[in-house]
Amino acid sequence: GAVVSQHPSRVICKSGTSVKIECRSLDFQATTMFWYRQFPKQSLMLMATSNEGSKATYEQGVEKDKFLINHASLTLSTLTVTSAHPEDSSFYICSARAGWEGYTFGSGTRLTVV
Amino acid sequence: GENVEQHPSTLSVQEGDSAVIKCTYSDSASNYFPWYKQELGKRPQLIIDIRSNVGEKKDQRIAVTLNKTAKHFSLHITETQPEDSAVYFCAASSPYNTDKLIFGTGTRLQVFP
Repeated sequence: GAVVSQHPSRVICKSGTSVKIECRSLDFQATTMFWYRQFPKQSLMLMATSNEGSKATYEQGVEKDKFLINHASLTLSTLTVTSAHPEDSSFYICSARAGWEGYTFGSGTRLTVV
Repeated sequence: GENVEQHPSTLSVQEGDSAVIKCTYSDSASNYFPWYKQELGKRPQLIIDIRSNVGEKKDQRIAVTLNKTAKHFSLHITETQPEDSAVYFCAASSPYNTDKLIFGTGTRLQVFP
């Protein structure tokens, strides 16, 4: 089945630095990638929809200048958390729709900002 | 935008009993309704899904029902086992809303031996 590879799985960074998270579709072309954030004991909240070759669409309340999304190819989408702060610590996960197979998810990235 | 509500937030059952989790959605154009099981720190795992052209789907001990008129769908787990203990999420997507998948708030299911 369709596979999305997400890296890194865990990252610890200092407050004020930026962190890049990558999601690659390994055996299919993902024209659209969805980025979610999940705080402990909460649901997956959609942050933005990433479209290959165009600007991402952000959900209400998500700062586009803080969460930079790039989808430069059909197999790679990246999320950069800029000037990270402790409140950005969360579980970030990407997802892509692989035709009628439904949605496939990356393995997630646990971000801790200290 | 699309909103998905899920109830209950926690559910405790005895091993062997049935468990039912219910969700309602707001976008009448939604046509795909998956259910996921998620373990702590892991990606959601699809356990069953249903499309809007059917009313019910079953896979062994798991079944999902969909009522398009009322805009709600339910997950039914029969003969529950301790290993069914996890957090379950419903979700909905609409092809008229970029196919983005919107999740319910989650249900923590505990199955006691």
